[in-house]
Amino acid sequence: EAGVTQFPSHSVIEKGQTVTLRCDPISGHDNLYWYRRVMGKEIKFLLHFVKESKQDESGMPNNRFLAERTGGTYSTLKVQPAELEDSGVYFCASSQDGLAADTQYFGPGTRLTVL
Amino acid sequence: LAKTTQPISMDSYEGQEVNITCSHNNIATNDYITWYQQFPSQGPRFIIQGYKTKVTNEVASLFIPADRKSSTLSLPRVSLSDTAVYYCLVAEGSGGYQKVTFGTGTKLQVIP
Repeated sequence: EAGVTQFPSHSVIEKGQTVTLRCDPISGHDNLYWYRRVMGKEIKFLLHFVKESKQDESGMPNNRFLAERTGGTYSTLKVQPAELEDSGVYFCASSQDGLAADTQYFGPGTRLTVL
Repeated sequence: LAKTTQPISMDSYEGQEVNITCSHNNIATNDYITWYQQFPSQGPRFIIQGYKTKVTNEVASLFIPADRKSSTLSLPRVSLSDTAVYYCLVAEGSGGYQKVTFGTGTKLQVIP
């Protein structure tokens, strides 16, 4: 069974540009999460989808970040316009039922560098 | 959200048993304790999860005392490939759904 995949693995862009990150969850997983680690700090929660709906987006830093999950399958996270402080590693995770005892499976992450 | 506290780093020799303790004093009744392992340039990988007492799987054991305010991850006979960061997380049911908060993790260095 394929795990969570993320594309691209690395992205280098200039300040002010737009970048779109993609996450493909494990097939059949209704729950999809985005996290990020910036500048060697702790991994922080961004948002949680249940199917195509945003269940919790309390961690989204500002309105430059837009997450979508059309059709309840893969998800994209767009940063527009990118700022220097957006540099970091963006992780995606998926889980089956999303309950407290469930297991989140993480992707390898996308390393974003904003110059 | 329940905050976790664990040692920043630990060193161990190959072949030894390693115990990493995590405190989570404000854990709630419906919360679960989960441990993840992370290697450089990879995403966190699930190791083990428990609610109370002891849980064991093929890679680790998890000990949780009755008050559940702490937990100990036990790695038997570590090898160099166990060098990684280990995260203790409390999985909370937020609005019916799971929410986890990552702490600093414990960087385990296995020495030959």
